[in-house]
Formats: sequence, C-alpha cells, structure tokens
Amino acid sequence: EPEVTQTPSHQVTQMGQEVILRCVPISNHLYFYWYRQILGQKVEFLVSFYNNEISEKSEIFDDQFSVERPDGSNFTLKIRSTKLEDSAMYFCASSYSGLAGVYNEQFFGPGTRLTVL
Amino acid sequence: ELKVEQNPLFLSMQEGKNYTIYCNYSTTSDRLYWYRQDPGKSLESLFVLLSNGAVKQEGRLMASLDTKARLSTLHITAAVHDLSATYFCAGLNNNDMRFGAGTRLTVKP
Repeated sequence: EPEVTQTPSHQVTQMGQEVILRCVPISNHLYFYWYRQILGQKVEFLVSFYNNEISEKSEIFDDQFSVERPDGSNFTLKIRSTKLEDSAMYFCASSYSGLAGVYNEQFFGPGTRLTVL
Repeated sequence: ELKVEQNPLFLSMQEGKNYTIYCNYSTTSDRLYWYRQDPGKSLESLFVLLSNGAVKQEGRLMASLDTKARLSTLHITAAVHDLSATYFCAGLNNNDMRFGAGTRLTVKP
C-alpha cells in the first residue's frame, strides 16, 4: 500500500541553524501539507501546497518557514533559523484532491521529531 | 477563524462499555475529520464526514455530523483495549484545517 515517507525520523539541531525536513508524498497525490505537533499538544496546520505554490498557510508559517517541491517526488519544509519553540513533531501529509474536493482523505507520514537545543 | 473543541480531553473506560466523544466547532466547516494517533505514531484517518446527518461506522467506532448544531460525535461501542489511543477531530474551512485538542482514551480490562 502506498504511503507517505519522511526523513529523517529525528533531527537535532542548534538554535539558529537551518533545517530541512523531507517528505515523499504518495505518488499520484497532488496536494501536500505540513503540520506540527508540539509534544502532548494538538496538531497544528502549517501550510498546504498545490501546483508548485502555497495554497493556504497558517499564522504559524511565518518568514522563517518555506516549502518546496524540488523534484517530482520530494516535498520539503525548511526552517531558516530554528528557535527553541520550533521543537516539535512535524508531519507531512498528502491527498489526491484538495481538502474540499471529493477525494479529500489525507494520508500522514510517520513524522520527523525536531529537537532544537 | 475556525475553532474546534473536543471533550472530554481524557477518558478512561472499562472494556465492554460505551462512550461518546464530542467535537464542537465554531463556524461553518466544510467537513469534519476524525483521526486516531497512537503514542509516538502518526495520524491515522478514521472518518471524513461530508454533510449534515452523515453517519459512518467502522467496527466499534461510529461518527456522526450535525452541521446545524456544529457538532460531531465519535461513539465507541463495547470498548476493547486496542482502542486505547488519542482521537482528534478536525474541521475544515476554506482549506484551513483546525484540530481539536484530542481525547486521550484509555480502555481498561
């Protein structure tokens, strides 16, 4: 069964450093998402991406964040200058259609745990 | 801004019992999602509810949606230990998905 994969599973970085989290969505999916979950808290939407551009973003997704689909398979989240409060689990998800579309089920990857020291 | 509230946040129940988790949302939501998350794991999609009166069932879980009341419920029938997990509901407004705080369910023998 196709699945969303994410690498690395755990990333440790120093405050102020740049990190890139990588995701490979399901191959025929067209919409891609990033979410984060601070330990023990709820899941928070960061951004959705379609047709090589951001379609929605939350207030959390500020100028420190960027997303890219550098090739036909990867979808990346970059945090330019990490802060302590960026420590969280980051989930990538993909769906065939947009969330308001018919085939709107999202499939989530296993997550990348980011620890900022 | 869409706000989603779940209750209870913690639920401990005996095997074989029934219970309902409630999910209220503040403004119009295009649809309502339920997810399951096991500790340290990712989110597993359980249900997508598309319209008023929608009811979906999978095994011991049944979800419903009342858009007039802005309420979705996740009903657990005859709970078993394997259902122990955190359950999240999420609403959608213009492609902006908002999650509830989650209900941590523990099913005891």
